[in-house]
Amino acid sequence: DGGITQSPKYLFRKEGQNVTLSCEQNLNHDAMYWYRQDPGQGLRLIYYSQIVNDFQKGDIAEGYSVSREKKESFPLTVTSAQKNPTAFYLCASSMGRDNQPQHFGDGTRLSIL
Amino acid sequence: DQQVKQNSPSLSVQEGRISILNCDYTNSMFDYFLWYKKYPAEGPTFLISISSIKDKNEDGRFTVFLNKSAKHLSLHIVPSQPGDSAVYFCAASVNAGGTSYGKLTFGQGTILTVHP
Repeated sequence: DGGITQSPKYLFRKEGQNVTLSCEQNLNHDAMYWYRQDPGQGLRLIYYSQIVNDFQKGDIAEGYSVSREKKESFPLTVTSAQKNPTAFYLCASSMGRDNQPQHFGDGTRLSIL
Repeated sequence: DQQVKQNSPSLSVQEGRISILNCDYTNSMFDYFLWYKKYPAEGPTFLISISSIKDKNEDGRFTVFLNKSAKHLSLHIVPSQPGDSAVYFCAASVNAGGTSYGKLTFGQGTILTVHP
């Protein structure tokens, strides 16, 4: 079955720690994206990547970092610089071309201890 | 600046009736629009989309209407079923010959509840 896998489903972080959220896709999609969802709000774009070894900041990139070493993988690191990291994080992928929908994983909920 | 707005936080409908979810946008450069459905603790699922060259697109019980002059789109679900109860997000993108990388701007979502 083709799809997007995010892990872990739930993640807890202590103050001052960096944590990395995993996102893997086997859809052979070129583009991948990270979003953050807060209660009562829509999805906000953190980072996106069109091709391997290239990525761009989205609307709320401060306090986050990404890498794209493989086409299938786009991990997101939430650094200690992110002041309000508690949220639901969603990874998506698409063909990256015009008029193509994005397809999402099931998300990771990050909480601060 | 909220470029895509869903002004109704929630909508309640009786099973079998029509559900109409609305979305407004301010960026006239948007030319591709999508609707997603989301259950709690899951990722959004793509439902239906429409290009700006059309004003209507149908897929089974779901129809999306686009009014470019009003910068408004709507999703009609007929007939509504209890399983349709979820949060619905509209989203929009600017097609730029492939250079926009398919980036989407999302509305805040509308919670639809369909009562049996």
